[in-house]
Amino acid sequence: EPEVTQTPSHQVTQMGQEVILRCVPISNHLYFYWYRQILGQKVEFLVSFYNNEISEKSEIFDDQFSVERPDGSNFTLKIRSTKLEDSAMYFCATREAASSYEQYFGPGTRLTVT
Amino acid sequence: AQSVAQPEDQVNVAEGNPLTVKCTYSVSGNPYLFWYVQYPNRGLQFLLKYITGDNLVKGSYGFEAEFNKSQTSFHLKKPSALVSDSALYFCAVRDEGSARQLTFGSGTQLTVLP
Repeated sequence: EPEVTQTPSHQVTQMGQEVILRCVPISNHLYFYWYRQILGQKVEFLVSFYNNEISEKSEIFDDQFSVERPDGSNFTLKIRSTKLEDSAMYFCATREAASSYEQYFGPGTRLTVT
Repeated sequence: AQSVAQPEDQVNVAEGNPLTVKCTYSVSGNPYLFWYVQYPNRGLQFLLKYITGDNLVKGSYGFEAEFNKSQTSFHLKKPSALVSDSALYFCAVRDEGSARQLTFGSGTQLTVLP
């Protein structure tokens, strides 16, 4: 069964550094999402992406965050200058088409900012 | 704004007994409702959804959920619990009329005791 994959599984970085989290969506899926889950808290929506542009973003997704799909396969989340409070599990999710409803999640990347 | 409440942080049930994990929601329009399960160190795995039609929906691994519009609830159920069902369960909602992203509840840790 096709799966969403994410790399790395765990990233440790120092405050102020840039990080790029990578996601490989299910091949025929057209809608892409990033969510995050701070330890012990809810899963929170960050951004949705369709047709090579952002569809929606939450208030969490400020100027420090960006997304792109540079090569038509990988879907990346970049944090330009990490803060301690960016430490969380980051999940990529994909959805097949406008007529489908469920999102399929990757295993997540645990980001630790020190 | 859309929101989800899972009133129980923890549910314990004996193997073979029926289980219920509760979820209530709030949306301005018609709800799209979902249940996801998260095993340790894994991503969110889709279980089932309600979009329209029959209020009782069936999903993976013998789980089902009942949509109750008057009570704005979408409780997850299984007639006979297995030890392997022990995991973290998340209810999520999407408002048909507006936001495309999912809003998650805080999660319920289900423990099935042998």
